[in-house]
Amino acid sequence: AQSVTQPDIHITVSEGASLELRCNYSYGATPYLFWYVQSPGQGLQLLLKYFSGDTLVQGIKGFEAEFKRSQSSFNLRKPSVHWSDAAEYFCAVGDYNTDKLIFGTGTRLQVFP
Amino acid sequence: AAGVIQSPRHLIKEKRETATLKCYPIPRHDTVYWYQQGPGQDPQFLISFYEKMQSDKGSIPDRFSAQQFSDYHSELNMSSLELGDSALYFCASSPGRAKGETQYFGPGTRLLVL
Repeated sequence: AQSVTQPDIHITVSEGASLELRCNYSYGATPYLFWYVQSPGQGLQLLLKYFSGDTLVQGIKGFEAEFKRSQSSFNLRKPSVHWSDAAEYFCAVGDYNTDKLIFGTGTRLQVFP
Repeated sequence: AAGVIQSPRHLIKEKRETATLKCYPIPRHDTVYWYQQGPGQDPQFLISFYEKMQSDKGSIPDRFSAQQFSDYHSELNMSSLELGDSALYFCASSPGRAKGETQYFGPGTRLLVL
């Protein structure tokens, strides 16, 4: 069965520092991968997605992610974090047989000034 | 740009009561999905509709039902509410249900069952 693992439950960085959030997936075919961000009490906003082609995907708010098939990973990166990036980040994979998205357990990002 | 609209945004109910959550998809989106996110949990898929027909079903309790109407809005009906139903309920929409279609999420309805 497809699954997503986000190994880091909580990450703390200083404003201006670089960021990498890890995501590993288990999938039998070419995956459809997504990163969503959820601010406190808010909905899920799509940051970026990967379907095929270029393995480095650019998203909104200066985020990017790289699909690495050999490592079954889709890590999210940002070169310089802003205080407003503090939120919960979810990696998700589109289920092969159904309509659903399968989410990881999320990584909570805290940003210190 | 128009987004997914959910109403109400907050709802407080007592055990054994019923609740109806509404979702208005982005214009020209014909597919609607419902997810439940418990406290500190990741969203779990409940059910989806495509062109007013149920297209997929996840871990939705039998006490819950949903439908999509002719104008593509959807309603999630929850009966005999239990304390464990307290959660954030998201609706998402997409322009079709092709594999990998992006799902755009609404702000959610926060349901508290007392």
